Amino acid sequence: GAGVSQTPSNKVTEKGKYVELRCDPISGHTALYWYRQSLGQGPEFLIYFQGTGAADDSGLPNDRFFAVRPEGSVSTLKIQRTERGDSAVYLCASSTRRGLAGSYNEQFFGPGTRLTVL
Amino acid sequence: GENVEQHPSTLSVQEGDSAVIKCTYSDSASNYFPWYKQELGKRPQLIIDIRSNVGEKKDQRIAVTLNKTAKHFSLHITETQPEDSAVYFCAASPTSYDKVIFGPGTSLSVIP
Repeated sequence: GAGVSQTPSNKVTEKGKYVELRCDPISGHTALYWYRQSLGQGPEFLIYFQGTGAADDSGLPNDRFFAVRPEGSVSTLKIQRTERGDSAVYLCASSTRRGLAGSYNEQFFGPGTRLTVL
Repeated sequence: GENVEQHPSTLSVQEGDSAVIKCTYSDSASNYFPWYKQELGKRPQLIIDIRSNVGEKKDQRIAVTLNKTAKHFSLHITETQPEDSAVYFCAASPTSYDKVIFGPGTSLSVIP
């Protein structure tokens, strides 16, 4: 079946502009995660959705970053007034979040969106 | 919050030798420890994971060990092959369905 998809694959923007990054999770996956990966570093957690609601947004660096998942499937990460330091690969992951005792919850990652802020 | 450290940052081994990557974590509430492999330009992929009620887990050439008292966990790859070359990330999470905190990564090169 189809995996997690992200669009666009690459986005180049100018400092101060607004960008939207889209994530399509695996069908039926209720949990969706956004991470940011800078060159040479591990993915950094941003926000996690369970269904339509943000279960944990503690990783969002500041109020320029916002994410939505209005229908519990597709999610959009929105960045206002972009800065050069926002340049990174933005990764989305989804999982089934069974949450049952003894169950595992593999997070399946998308290919990422490479954001470059000039 | 949780902090995961990982070493070495780079590791080079001869094909057929073993590779060991070590990690430490800070939050005693962490209960789930996945390992991801990321090839150049590709997405991270889960290769093995372990929960805190288990001390060791093995899957073919890959094994993970966990010392919850010391907050240490390790990845062992035996009989390494060139296709094992990649960046490996250890990670920690309070539960198996929560956010994952990643280590900085180990770049493994297997020399034919």
